[in-house]
Formats: sequence, structure tokens, C-alpha cells
Amino acid sequence: EPEVTQTPSHQVTQMGQEVILRCVPISNHLYFYWYRQILGQKVEFLVSFYNNEISEKSEIFDDQFSVERPDGSNFTLKIRSTKLEDSAMYFCATKGLAGEETQYFGPGTRLLVL
Amino acid sequence: SQQGEEDPQALSIQEGENATMNCSYKTSINNLQWYRQNSGRGLVHLILIRSNEREKHSGRLRVTLDTSKKSSSLLITASRAADTASYFCATESNDYKLSFGAGTTVTVRA
Repeated sequence: EPEVTQTPSHQVTQMGQEVILRCVPISNHLYFYWYRQILGQKVEFLVSFYNNEISEKSEIFDDQFSVERPDGSNFTLKIRSTKLEDSAMYFCATKGLAGEETQYFGPGTRLLVL
Repeated sequence: SQQGEEDPQALSIQEGENATMNCSYKTSINNLQWYRQNSGRGLVHLILIRSNEREKHSGRLRVTLDTSKKSSSLLITASRAADTASYFCATESNDYKLSFGAGTTVTVRA
């Protein structure tokens, strides 16, 4: 069964460093999302992406965050200058054609900012 | 904001028993989805119920939706140790993003 993959599975970085989290969506999926889950808290929506542009973003998704689909397959989340509070599990999710409602989640990247 | 809230927060049952958890939300939805998360792992999609549906089954899972009460329930029948996990409801409304609840942690004792 096709699945969403994410790399790396874990990343440790120093505060102020840039990180790039990568996601490979399910082939032919058109809608892409990033969510995050701070330890012990709810899963929170960050951003949705369709047709090579951001559809919607949350208040969390400030100027330090950006997304892109650089090569038509990978979907990346960049955090320009990480803060301690960015430590969380980051999930990529993808959805198929219009009318397909299920969002399929990747296994997540656990980010720890020191 | 549009969010699901699960109840109870935690549930401990004996293997073979049924587990029921509830989810309430605040505004109109397109659909409601249930996910499972094993400790520190990814989110596994379990079942989706549309706003015009009232009940849905998938294997040992039964989901109900009451849009008049803005609530849903997930029933896991004949639980197994492998069902030990956190279960989240997530609602999708017209903005197509998912809003998650805080989850119910289910422990199935052998």
C-alpha cells in the first residue's frame, strides 16, 4: 500500500540553526499538509499546499517557516532559525484528488532544538 | 476554533472488552476522521465518516456521528493488546485542514 515517507526520522539542532524536513507524498496526491505535535499536546495544523502554493496557514506558521515542492516529488518544510519551542514531532500528510477526503500521514520527524 | 475534544482522556480495559470513546466538536464539518497513534509514532488513519452519515463500520471499529449534538463515538469491539494506543478524532471543515482533539489513551490489559 502506498505510504507517505518522511526524512529524517529524528533531528537534533542548535537554536538558531536552519532545518529542512522532507516528505515524499503518495504518488498522484495533490494536497499536502504539515502538522506538528508538541510532546503531550494536540496535533496542530501548520500549513496546506496545493497547486504549488500555500492554501492556508495557521498562526504558528510565521515568517520563520516556509514550504516548497522543489522537484515535483518532495515536499519540504524549512524552519529558518529554530527556537526551543519548535521542538516537536512534525507530520506531513497528503490527500488525493478532489473528492478524496482521507489525509494520509507520514511517520513524522522528531525535532529537538537545544 | 474548530476542534474535536475526546472523552475520556484515558481508558483501561481488559483484553476482550469493548472500548468506547467520544469526541465533541464546535462547528459544522465536512467529515470526521479517527486516527490511532502508538507511543511516539505516526498517525494511522482508521475511519472517516461524512457529515451526512450516521454510522460506519470497519472490522472491529464502529463509528457514529450525531451532527445535531456535534459528537461522534468510536467503539472498538473485542479489544486486543495491540489496540493499546492513543486515539484522536479530527474534524475537517470547509477549509480542508484537520483539527485534532487531545486524544484518548487506551490501555488494553492482557
